[in-house]
Amino acid sequence: GAVVSQHPSWVICKSGTSVKIECRSLDFQATTMFWYRQFPKQSLMLMATSNEGSKATYEQGVEKDKFLINHASLTLSTLTVTSAHPEDSSFYICSARTGQGLEETQYFGPGTRLLVL
Amino acid sequence: AQTVTQSQPEMSVQEAETVTLSCTYDTSENNYYLFWYKQPPSRQMILVIRQEAYKQQNATENRFSVNFQKAAKSFSLKISDSQLGDTAMYFCAFDQGAQKLVFGQGTRLTINP
Repeated sequence: GAVVSQHPSWVICKSGTSVKIECRSLDFQATTMFWYRQFPKQSLMLMATSNEGSKATYEQGVEKDKFLINHASLTLSTLTVTSAHPEDSSFYICSARTGQGLEETQYFGPGTRLLVL
Repeated sequence: AQTVTQSQPEMSVQEAETVTLSCTYDTSENNYYLFWYKQPPSRQMILVIRQEAYKQQNATENRFSVNFQKAAKSFSLKISDSQLGDTAMYFCAFDQGAQKLVFGQGTRLTINP
């Protein structure tokens, strides 16, 4: 089956620093990847849609200058949390879309836990 | 905007029992997709089952089946012969187009031995 990886799996950083999270589709090409955020015991909230070769589309309320997304290739999208603050601490999950039409499916990465001190 | 509601924050059943998780949604669209995802303690999201709105037949995947009531905008998940490995958070999700998923609040399901 399709596999999506994320790196790192968890990261601790100091307030004010930037953190980059990578999302890779290992055995398929993904023109579209998605970034979600999940707070403890809550649901997933879509942050942005990442399209290869073009600018990401951000959901309402998500600061695009805060959460930089780069989809440089068909297998890699990165999320950079700039000038991280404690309120950015969360679980970040990416997903990648594959297939066409009725067979289109979204596969999720294992997530990255971010703790900002 | 589409919304997804899961009214059962937690459920608990004995192993081998059947359990049904509820989900309702709100949309003005006619064609769409619905999903159930499982998130075990590892937090890896796993697709359990999907349903195309234009299909009247309910989707089934082994022990997992859905009861899709389009007019009522209801999409429940039935797990038969529940197993310990079914213990997880279950999220109902609505595809609002281009696979932009809207998730419900989740139901924490515990299967007891």
